[in-house]
Amino acid sequence: AQSVTQLDSQVPVFEEAPVELRCNYSSSVSVYLFWYVQYPNQGLQLLLKYLSGSTLVKGINGFEAEFNKSQTSFHLRKPSVHISDTAEYFCAVSASGNTGKLIFGQGTTLQVKP
Amino acid sequence: NAGVTQTPKFQVLKTGQSMTLQCAQDMNHNSMYWYRQDPGMGLRLIYYSASEGTTDKGEVPNGYNVSRLNKREFSLRLESAAPSQTSVYFCASSFDRTSGNTIYFGEGSWLTVV
Repeated sequence: AQSVTQLDSQVPVFEEAPVELRCNYSSSVSVYLFWYVQYPNQGLQLLLKYLSGSTLVKGINGFEAEFNKSQTSFHLRKPSVHISDTAEYFCAVSASGNTGKLIFGQGTTLQVKP
Repeated sequence: NAGVTQTPKFQVLKTGQSMTLQCAQDMNHNSMYWYRQDPGMGLRLIYYSASEGTTDKGEVPNGYNVSRLNKREFSLRLESAAPSQTSVYFCASSFDRTSGNTIYFGEGSWLTVV
């Protein structure tokens, strides 16, 4: 079975500052990793995903994440945040194969202050 | 592009009442999912349908039933609503059940059971 832990429930940051949202996972098999963003009162939108290859994955809106197999982590980063990045961010994992199901972390609320 | 469409967006039920959440996707996807979102718990899978004609239980299926009406539509039914089912419900779809495929989400249905 897989599980995901997002280490921070809330991350406050000032506009134009860098941010890192932390995600750790556990699994006994190979996994694929995802970050989704949820803006207020909306559905989830894919930011980026890691399937294989380069461990540094670039996504939309200037976000990137690094897959670290030895530390079982997939932290999300952005060098300079904007007010519009205020949202809830979810890390998710799926086991390789044909399950197709995502297991989500608890979510991290990013609060960007002016 | 409509993507994944859910109805209704908001609903208030009395304990013991029944209702059906409707979901349709126009992306010709084979797999569809129902998740619920609760504060501090991320999203949890209720049921999924890997392909037309099949349905399977997810993490939290108790109190729910589903119907894959055709390739486009996947409904979620609460037969006898309970306050514990107060939540935000998301329908989602993906091309197929292959792990790593992007899962696309609807905008959510807010359900309150009083």
